[in-house]
Amino acid sequence: GGIITQTPKFLIGQEGQKLTLKCQQNFNHDTMYWYRQDSGKGLRLIYYSITENDLQKGDLSEGYDASREKKSSFSLTVTSAQKNEMAVFLCASSRQRNQDTQYFGPGTRLLVL
Amino acid sequence: GEQVEQRPPHLSVREGDSAVITCTYTDPNSYYFFWYKQEPGASLQLLMKVFSSTEINEGQGFTVLLNKKDKRLSLNLTAAHPGDSAAYFCAVSHSGGSNAKLTFGKGTKLSVKS
Repeated sequence: GGIITQTPKFLIGQEGQKLTLKCQQNFNHDTMYWYRQDSGKGLRLIYYSITENDLQKGDLSEGYDASREKKSSFSLTVTSAQKNEMAVFLCASSRQRNQDTQYFGPGTRLLVL
Repeated sequence: GEQVEQRPPHLSVREGDSAVITCTYTDPNSYYFFWYKQEPGASLQLLMKVFSSTEINEGQGFTVLLNKKDKRLSLNLTAAHPGDSAAYFCAVSHSGGSNAKLTFGKGTKLSVKS
């Protein structure tokens, strides 16, 4: 078994602020993902990475940067927080192949004042 | 690209009743299918992974049906109980390449009343 940890659990930011979210996994998985979850909109893929130092854009990459510093960690940066923004950011990991299950972290809840 | 439509967005049933959630997808090359459960305040937990070759998949208290002809995937909870109250998401993957992207449905919020 393994675990995915996300920090921080809650993040309160100011409009225009740059905010960084972190994710660590000890599954030794190749692929890691960042999703954004908004109420009523399901999960939308922001960025994913199939190996260390790789970065692939998802459907919602505008306004975000990401970095896969090493195999076990994947960070996401909100480049300029939008006023009244409220969402949950979920990190996931999987082995590389498309039949492999994605395992999810507990999420970071973002609120922008 | 792949489109996944999930229905209904909200579902309320009484304890002991059945509950059915359906996803339709567009890409005929879709090959792997997943159902996730998300309890309030928690993250997504895998409920079942389904392969394209299997039409009927039995779980504990639920059945997942795959109709490839109609491109439809359904989650059937046979006798719902309050512990089933959660959001459920279907996800669809593809057979080609090494890319492990999933396309998710928008979710169904199930409420089971005792």
